[in-house]
Amino acid sequence: AQSVAQPEDQVNVAEGNPLTVKCTYSVSGNPYLFWYVQYPNRGLQFLLKYITGDNLVKGSYGFEAEFNKSQTSFHLKKPSALVSDSALYFCAVRDIGQAGTALIFGKGTTLSVSS
Amino acid sequence: DGGITQSPKYLFRKEGQNVTLSCEQNLNHDAMYWYRQDPGQGLRLIYYSQIVNDFQKGDIAEGYSVSREKKESFPLTVTSAQKNPTAFYLCASSINSLMNTEAFFGQGTRLTVV
Repeated sequence: AQSVAQPEDQVNVAEGNPLTVKCTYSVSGNPYLFWYVQYPNRGLQFLLKYITGDNLVKGSYGFEAEFNKSQTSFHLKKPSALVSDSALYFCAVRDIGQAGTALIFGKGTTLSVSS
Repeated sequence: DGGITQSPKYLFRKEGQNVTLSCEQNLNHDAMYWYRQDPGQGLRLIYYSQIVNDFQKGDIAEGYSVSREKKESFPLTVTSAQKNPTAFYLCASSINSLMNTEAFFGQGTRLTVV
């Protein structure tokens, strides 16, 4: 089965500094990786996905993610953090079940951006 | 979130009662999903449906049931057999179930057992 891991429960950065939220994956075959953000008491919002091609994927709200096959990582990045980026971030991978596929999520990383 | 409506936003259930959470989408998506979110545990898959009249158990299906009689609707019933139902429930849909397809989420239903 495919899986993702988010090694940090919380990441703290100062506004204006670059941020990185880490994700590693374990898949058999080609990886299909996703990042989502969740604000308190809300649903998840899709940020970006890696399917194939360029290792640097650009997404919504200035976020990007770097795919690294040798390190089996898919870290989320942003050059300059905003206080409004403070939220819960989830990495996900598509997994194949008995019939069809579903997204399997990591446990999430809380990003706190201080002013 | 657009196009996926979950209701109610908050739901209170007495022990021993069944409750049904509604999920409707107007995106013409084939696939729909139910997840449960608990603090520190991320999202866990309860059930998913690739197409109308078909659904599959996820990782934590025990104590839950679903139906998919219409393409736009995927209601989740939390039965009295679910030992610890208090959680945040999220419904999602995707245009299909191909590996490269992202899912879109509703705003969630917070269920509390009183």
